[in-house]
Amino acid sequence: DAKTTQPNSMESNEEEPVHLPCNHSTISGTDYIHWYRQLPSQGPEYVIHGLTSNVNNRMASLAIAEDRKSSTLILHRATLRDAAVYYCIPDMEYGNKLVFGAGTILRVKS
Amino acid sequence: DTEVTQTPKHLVMGMTNKKSLKCEQHMGHRAMYWYKQKAKKPPELMFVYSYEKLSINESVPSRFSPECPNSSLLNLHLHALQPEDSALYLCASSQDPLVKKLFFGSGTQLSVL
Repeated sequence: DAKTTQPNSMESNEEEPVHLPCNHSTISGTDYIHWYRQLPSQGPEYVIHGLTSNVNNRMASLAIAEDRKSSTLILHRATLRDAAVYYCIPDMEYGNKLVFGAGTILRVKS
Repeated sequence: DTEVTQTPKHLVMGMTNKKSLKCEQHMGHRAMYWYKQKAKKPPELMFVYSYEKLSINESVPSRFSPECPNSSLLNLHLHALQPEDSALYLCASSQDPLVKKLFFGSGTQLSVL
């Protein structure tokens, strides 16, 4: 059965980099990996997505393992505003649906 | 304008009431979504509209009735809800149904008494 696993929670210090891991061992070669985050009292927010090579945007970087069975979302300098639930969502068997798993609660300490 | 606007932000209703949640976007997106989120849980997909037609219904009870009057608007009509339906209802849109870059609204917090 396809399964995505993320740590339940992580903690980071402000202004330090944060690496949020995600395992998706049953991903296929054409499945994209999407990352969203949800800040308190807000709807989810798109962060980044990728297929094979590493991806960067103004919010974060996405490092995808060569075998694609895992990926890591990198926040280069965490701020208090980055405290949120981070969801890793591989396409996998869900077709056109964006299906959220439990995600990782990121706490940022000042 | 990359905003999805949901109204109302909060709603309290009795089990015999009829109410509607509204969602609006002006990004020209042709796919729109309803998600339900219980406290401390991830969002759960309810419905997907693709080019104003209902394309996915995740076995949602008939007391929830979606409507897409045009490409910018999405409604969720509520009737005879149960207390366990109390949740945050999130609307989202994307350029088309194959694009998984969704833009979410801030949601309507619904309480059913």
